Amino acid sequence: EVHLVESGGGLVQPGGSLRLSCAASGITFSSFWMAWVRQAPGKGLEWVANIKQDGSERYYVDSVKGRFTISRDNAKNSLYLQMNSLRVEDTAVYFCARGRGGDWGQGTLVTVSS
Amino acid sequence: DVVMTQSPLSLPVTLGQPASISCRSSQSLVYSDGNTYLNWIQQRPGQSPRRLIYKVSNRDSGVPDRFSGSGSGTDFTLKISRVEAEDVGVYYCMQGTHWPGTFGQGTKLEIK
Repeated sequence: EVHLVESGGGLVQPGGSLRLSCAASGITFSSFWMAWVRQAPGKGLEWVANIKQDGSERYYVDSVKGRFTISRDNAKNSLYLQMNSLRVEDTAVYFCARGRGGDWGQGTLVTVSS
Repeated sequence: DVVMTQSPLSLPVTLGQPASISCRSSQSLVYSDGNTYLNWIQQRPGQSPRRLIYKVSNRDSGVPDRFSGSGSGTDFTLKISRVEAEDVGVYYCMQGTHWPGTFGQGTKLEIK
């Protein structure tokens, strides 16, 4: 069974930084593209970023380009999202997802507020 | 980025009746490998999203056969043959052909 477990969320002030992690099990992690998807309170799903199996390709939604960095460590079966210069509008539950949405984690809440 | 447009956004349905959700993309979702990466995602209240359908019409493991997907190019449909109580939630179409991926606005299915 596939398990994706996110961690690292919390309360941060505007302009601050946070690093999210996603630990994967039950899959051959190095074989899959991985992604971060977020959901603001009461809103729909928004694709944030994704990364190729070997990390050689990365894509970001325009609103986070230059502020967020997606990375992975295949030896640790882990996915990361480094979030800098956080804004109030980045407040959301952040989900880790396999490939094109094949499996999802339970999410971790990021709240950006003063 | 590719814009995904769903309709309707609200879908009240009587138990046992069929339901249909439409999704249109702003450009073709046919990838260079010949596949069309259009998925349907279900999110029940208080739960994480779950993929139901991948590549237009393929059901994921454990998905009841009352769910079906169809379409091509830029127009796609999710159909539920007979709605059950457990189907309540929000349904999203999602394209994975052009990165970054994009979602439709979501269709909220409720029981009348």
